[in-house]
Formats: sequence, structure tokens, C-alpha cells
Amino acid sequence: DTGVSQNPRHKITKRGQNVTFRCDPISEHNRLYWYRQTLGQGPEFLTYFQNEAQLEKSRLLSDRFSAERPKGSFSTLEIQRTEQGDSAMYLCASSRQGRATEAFFGQGTRLTVV
Amino acid sequence: QQQVKQSPQSLIVQKGGISIINCAYENTAFDYFPWYQQFPGKGPALLIAIRPDVSEKKEGRFTISFNKSAKQFSLHIMDSQPGDSATYFCAATLYNQGGKLIFGQGTELSVKP
Repeated sequence: DTGVSQNPRHKITKRGQNVTFRCDPISEHNRLYWYRQTLGQGPEFLTYFQNEAQLEKSRLLSDRFSAERPKGSFSTLEIQRTEQGDSAMYLCASSRQGRATEAFFGQGTRLTVV
Repeated sequence: QQQVKQSPQSLIVQKGGISIINCAYENTAFDYFPWYQQFPGKGPALLIAIRPDVSEKKEGRFTISFNKSAKQFSLHIMDSQPGDSATYFCAATLYNQGGKLIFGQGTELSVKP
């Protein structure tokens, strides 16, 4: 399968714990995006990378959230001191520069904070 | 600030009927408008997209109609099938500025056999 891969698919954590998600984009795609989707809503943009550079961060991305893309390949999204309001589906998408809006999404990581 | 508004929230259509979903946007700088289809437990998948220099784009049973002056666009699904039952999202973006997508709230489509 050469699509966008996200791990884990599901994560249940206790409030206050840290969690980290991984995204492996399509290999030739140099842009990588993170979105958050809550039940019954459309995905909301969090941040995006072009190669290893993080070029934009949403105001939704509080200080407890950090994203990295070392070497411009896979990306990680870490949430520190999780809160119940962080419960959501976290989606990763990738695209090629020049065709930036043809974004391909992964299946997401469903986070539940208890 | 909600920049893309989508309606209806849910839609029930008989098999063979036409499904119509509408979206309106606020930012006149948007220049690329894709539609995504999402099945439960899956990520959104690109269905069809349009740029504002055309008024209509058709791909198979799916058609986008675009009205630049009204800042509205719609998705028409002809001959709707039970397999089309999914959640549909419209989106908008600035094509040459990063490709960040602004999504509508989604429409849950159910096609009855």
C-alpha cells in the first residue's frame, strides 16, 4: 500500500498523559499536513510542513501540541498533558508541491482521553 | 471564523435519484474548491475539484456547479447508489499558498435502495 499511513489507528490515554502519533506520507510528496476532526465536523487545519520546515501553525495548536518532520520524511504529532477536549480524530495528509491542493489523507488516529 | 458553510447537514435520497449538496464561501481569494468523500473510520478521499474560472465540472456521475458572483458551489450526484452513502465535505483553499484546506461542516448522505 503506497498511501498515507498513520499509526496508531486508535489510542486511549488517561488525562494528563503524553501521546505521540506518527504519519508516513506518500514517498514523493514533500508537503505534509495535520488536521483534527471531531464528531460531526469537518477536518480543521493544525499545521503543515514543506519538506522538514514547518511553515504554518493554526491558532488551534496550543503550546501542548508539537509537530516535527525530521529529514522531511515521516512526521510526528505530540500532545503533552492531554485533556478530554483533545479527544478527536487526528488526520494526516500529504501532497506534491505544485499540485498542493490534491491532498491524500491517511485513515487517521482516533484519540480518546479518559 | 467559519469561512465555508455547507448544507444540508444530512440528506436522504432514493436509489437512482439526484443528491445535491451546497456550499458557500466568504473569502473571495479562494481559488480551488475540492469535494471530499469520507466513509466511517476512513480518512477523506478527494472526489472532484474545480477552479473558479469554470462554471461546471463533470466526472462520471459527479458534477460541481460553481457560481463565482454568488460565492457558492454545489455537488450533484446523479443516479445515486447505496454505495454513495457517506459523508461529503466541501472545501476551499488558496491553490498556490500552501494548500491548507478549509472544510465545510459535512453532509451525511444516505441512499435508500
